[in-house]
Amino acid sequence: QKEVEQNSGPLSVPEGAIASLNCTYSDRGSQSFFWYRQYSGKSPELIMFIYSNGDKEDGRFTAQLNKASQYVSLLIRDSQPSDSATYLCAVNLSGGYNKLIFGAGTRLAVHP
Amino acid sequence: NAGVTQTPKFQVLKTGQSMTLQCAQDMNHNSMYWYRQDPGMGLRLIYYSASEGTTDKGEVPNGYNVSRLNKREFSLRLESAAPSQTSVYFCASEQPNQETQYFGPGTRLLVL
Repeated sequence: QKEVEQNSGPLSVPEGAIASLNCTYSDRGSQSFFWYRQYSGKSPELIMFIYSNGDKEDGRFTAQLNKASQYVSLLIRDSQPSDSATYLCAVNLSGGYNKLIFGAGTRLAVHP
Repeated sequence: NAGVTQTPKFQVLKTGQSMTLQCAQDMNHNSMYWYRQDPGMGLRLIYYSASEGTTDKGEVPNGYNVSRLNKREFSLRLESAAPSQTSVYFCASEQPNQETQYFGPGTRLLVL
């Protein structure tokens, strides 16, 4: 069973702090990694994707990938209350079409 | 440009009843997907269609059938609903090599 694991949270951070969300995956051959944000009662929306080891930055968001450790993370700088949501990590299975395996998500709460 | 639309938004069924969930996209995407989302379990792929005329099973296909009616539409059918199929169902579409799946608003299904 190929799995993606996330801490369910909630992760509570004060406004303006850095939120760090973590994800581990079991399929060593996975090539593509995604972070989705999902507000309560809404559908997931893509924040970032990353393919290569290292960091990828987009505005306040940074994705970090370490394939040797099978670990991907999302950092949110200057967290805002509007960032409060569930963050889903997804991994593209190796050797297949774009079939994503999702983690259960981490709930982030940013308090003023 | 409506993106991905789903109907109905909410449905209550009795055990053994059948129904079809409809999904349509107006982005001219080749690939379409059906997921279910249960509390604490993240999104799980039910079926996907890489292109018009093709469909394939995902992680949890049992109890479901799909039809890729044309490039725009991808429907999910429950022939004999069971309480275990109570869930939120999301349809998504993707243009190959764009690495972004766009999700519909979801259908909340309750099977009594």
